[in-house]
Amino acid sequence: ETGVTQSPTHLIKTRGQQVTLRCSSQSGHNTVSWYQQALGQGPQFIFQYYREEENGRGNFPPRFSGLQFPNYSSELNVNALELDDSALYLCASSLAGLAFTGELFFGEGSRLTVL
Amino acid sequence: GENVEQHPSTLSVQEGDSAVIKCTYSDSASNYFPWYKQELGKRPQLIIDIRSNVGEKKDQRIAVTLNKTAKHFSLHITETQPEDSAVYFCAASIGEYGNKLVFGAGTILRVKS
Repeated sequence: ETGVTQSPTHLIKTRGQQVTLRCSSQSGHNTVSWYQQALGQGPQFIFQYYREEENGRGNFPPRFSGLQFPNYSSELNVNALELDDSALYLCASSLAGLAFTGELFFGEGSRLTVL
Repeated sequence: GENVEQHPSTLSVQEGDSAVIKCTYSDSASNYFPWYKQELGKRPQLIIDIRSNVGEKKDQRIAVTLNKTAKHFSLHITETQPEDSAVYFCAASIGEYGNKLVFGAGTILRVKS
């Protein structure tokens, strides 16, 4: 087990709704990254949070937003859900900068289905 | 931005044979190249990684090679076993410190016993 926990594990929403996914990082890790993994594809980088600020963003629209809290946990918010948002959302924690030793520790993911 | 291409998309081998998966990347600034194994319904797990100052790294039955000039890297699994069956992803880092990754599309490896 990595120590990275995500909730909820599964959820179903309808188009136009909003969703919040949560992640608790591994103890001692100050950086949280979010990835979207559509069925049959590789994970795609959404954004990263460090020191409660966004520290890099992939090619995702502004309706994907996030937060990081002082305890390093994080939320991913998606507004105006579309069918194509159906995917496994993975949270990964790591150390930052020169302290990064190489491994991203992934959680088990939150599987979102948009109907 | 960085683009990672991975081949083949599916690979079937007989137990005991070797398997090779290849990836190319586009951004010469990438300096960290991990490989992840993902079993059905599970999280990706790091199996081996290599940094840009090294050409080859080996860990028991698994090895990775990197050619920075050609911008490609490969995963080699020897003496494959049925439990090696999974989806394998290569990735290349973006950003200065390597903890943001661009993933390939994945290779489904089936080891037949």
